[in-house]
Amino acid sequence: GGIITQTPKFLIGQEGQKLTLKCQQNFNHDTMYWYRQDSGKGLRLIYYSITENDLQKGDLSEGYDASREKKSSFSLTVTSAQKNEMAVFLCASSPGLGLYAEQFFGPGTRLTVL
Amino acid sequence: GQQVKQSSPSLTVQEGGILILNCDYENDMFDYFAWYKKYPDNSPTLLISVRSNVDKREDGRFTVFLNKSGKHFSLHITASQPEDTAVYLCAAGVGGSAKLIFGEGTKLTVSS
Repeated sequence: GGIITQTPKFLIGQEGQKLTLKCQQNFNHDTMYWYRQDSGKGLRLIYYSITENDLQKGDLSEGYDASREKKSSFSLTVTSAQKNEMAVFLCASSPGLGLYAEQFFGPGTRLTVL
Repeated sequence: GQQVKQSSPSLTVQEGGILILNCDYENDMFDYFAWYKKYPDNSPTLLISVRSNVDKREDGRFTVFLNKSGKHFSLHITASQPEDTAVYLCAAGVGGSAKLIFGEGTKLTVSS
């Protein structure tokens, strides 16, 4: 078995602030993902990475940067937090390079922007 | 536009009943279809998935039906139980791309 950890669990920021969310997995999975979860909108893909130093944009990449520093870690940066923004950011990982394998999700980081 | 769409934001069913959750998609290149289940304050977990080379897959009380010509797939749950109460997210994608597109979710409540 393995685990995905996300830090921090709760993140409170100010409008315009640059904020970084971190994700670690010990499954030794190749592919990692960042999703944003808003009420009534399901999960929207921000960035994904199929191997170390690879980055692929999802449908919601504007306003975000990401970095796959090593196979086990994938970080997401909100480049300029938007006032009154509230969302949960979920990290996931999956073995292999394609879609046919299950995605395993972390516990999430809950963002609030004041 | 929304590439994967769940038309029902919420659904309520009596315990023991049969229920059907629906999902429509736009991209006819999609060849992988999945249903994830999410309890409140928990992360999604894979419930069942199917590839496009079959039109049905059954796992206990859960069955996925795939209608490729209609760009539609559904999740059937039989003998529903209160512990089935959760948000169900459908997802689809092209197997070789690693990119999975999720629907908006259907909040299911099974009342006892």
